[in-house]
Amino acid sequence: DSGVTQTPKHLITATGQRVTLRCSPRSGDLSVYWYQQSLDQGLQFLIQYYNGEERAKGNILERFSAQQFPDLHSELNLSSLELGDSALYFCASSAVERENAGELFFGEGSRLTVL
Amino acid sequence: AQTVTQSQPEMSVQEAETVTLSCTYDTSESNYYLFWYKQPPSRQMILVIRQEAYKQQNATENRFSVNFQKAAKSFSLKISDSQLGDTAMYFCAFRGGYGGSQGNLIFGKGTKLSVKP
Repeated sequence: DSGVTQTPKHLITATGQRVTLRCSPRSGDLSVYWYQQSLDQGLQFLIQYYNGEERAKGNILERFSAQQFPDLHSELNLSSLELGDSALYFCASSAVERENAGELFFGEGSRLTVL
Repeated sequence: AQTVTQSQPEMSVQEAETVTLSCTYDTSESNYYLFWYKQPPSRQMILVIRQEAYKQQNATENRFSVNFQKAAKSFSLKISDSQLGDTAMYFCAFRGGYGGSQGNLIFGKGTKLSVKP
């Protein structure tokens, strides 16, 4: 158990719809990262938040948005869904303490299927 | 921009044998971290091993070890005494920065490893 919690684990929806994926980082971690993994692909970085503020942006579509709340949980909003948005969405968090320096801790992912 | 390249899409190894997975990366940074993550069929991302760039000694975790060649920007993973449970997709990953200014993880495309009985 990484300590990162993602909900829902599975989600099936239709094209054109909007969904929200939720992530609770490990206790004390200030950074949250979102990644997208399409079928048989590597992980593509979408966006990073640090203590409520956007820190870095990757290949995130304009139809997607995210935010990190004061309690440090984060949400990834996906709108106007297309078939190609079907993927496994990972959330990860990181610490700056020396003991775990550098490592990202991943949740179990949210599997989105767009029909 | 940093890039990570894994040139072996698929590999197989016999149980109890040794296998080496290759990874090269490109960066202009001097401080960074390198990782190998394992993704079994459950799709969970599991950290296998980590290497800090400033450390010359290669990291080792039980049956897993790395060959870190900083000048060549190479970071290979050696799995000794392969077990059936090692069957998974293996991702090499790079993370720039140090301390409080670390960036995101950049992943290679992965190597699918099959361990055969």
